[in-house]
Amino acid sequence: GAVVSQHPSWVICKSGTSVKIECRSLDFQATTMFWYRQFPKQSLMLMATSNEGSKATYEQGVEKDKFLINHASLTLSTLTVTSAHPEDSSFYICSARDWDGRNTEAFFGQGTRLTVV
Amino acid sequence: DAKTTQPNSMESNEEEPVHLPCNHSTISGTDYIHWYRQLPSQGPEYVIHGLTSNVNNRMASLAIAEDRKSSTLILHRATLRDAAVYYCILDSNYQLIWGAGTKLIIKP
Repeated sequence: GAVVSQHPSWVICKSGTSVKIECRSLDFQATTMFWYRQFPKQSLMLMATSNEGSKATYEQGVEKDKFLINHASLTLSTLTVTSAHPEDSSFYICSARDWDGRNTEAFFGQGTRLTVV
Repeated sequence: DAKTTQPNSMESNEEEPVHLPCNHSTISGTDYIHWYRQLPSQGPEYVIHGLTSNVNNRMASLAIAEDRKSSTLILHRATLRDAAVYYCILDSNYQLIWGAGTKLIIKP
């Protein structure tokens, strides 16, 4: 089946620095990818929808200048957490779907555990 | 937004069938019903999805009520590896709307 690869799986960074997370669709082209954040014992919360070749669409309450999304190719989307602070520590997950005109399943990356110290 | 309601947790014995319920009374006619599961510190994994008819695959079965206001995920023979949080999700305009999920505990 289709695979979405996310890297890194975990990262520890100092407060004030930036961190980039990559999400790749390995065997299909993803014109749209989704970025989620998940806090402990909570469900996934959609942060933004990443569209290849255009600006991302952010959910209400998500700061677009803090969470920079770039979707420069059909197989790669990146999320950069800028000027990270301890409250940004969370589990970040990307997702992509292989749109083929039918309602298909979503594939998820392995997730990235971000810890800001 | 269309939402789903699931029990917080359920327990089942190993090698027995498990029925995980989900209510989605505000579902619209074009919303698909998706189920995913998530192990700790991992991304979600697709289980099954459907629109109106019941669906079967190698992992599970999905029974959808005639009025589509509820559905049930059926694991035919639970194993310890099926212990996870199971999310019943509505696919509304290709956007997945996540609920709180059901934590499934499998007892050996």
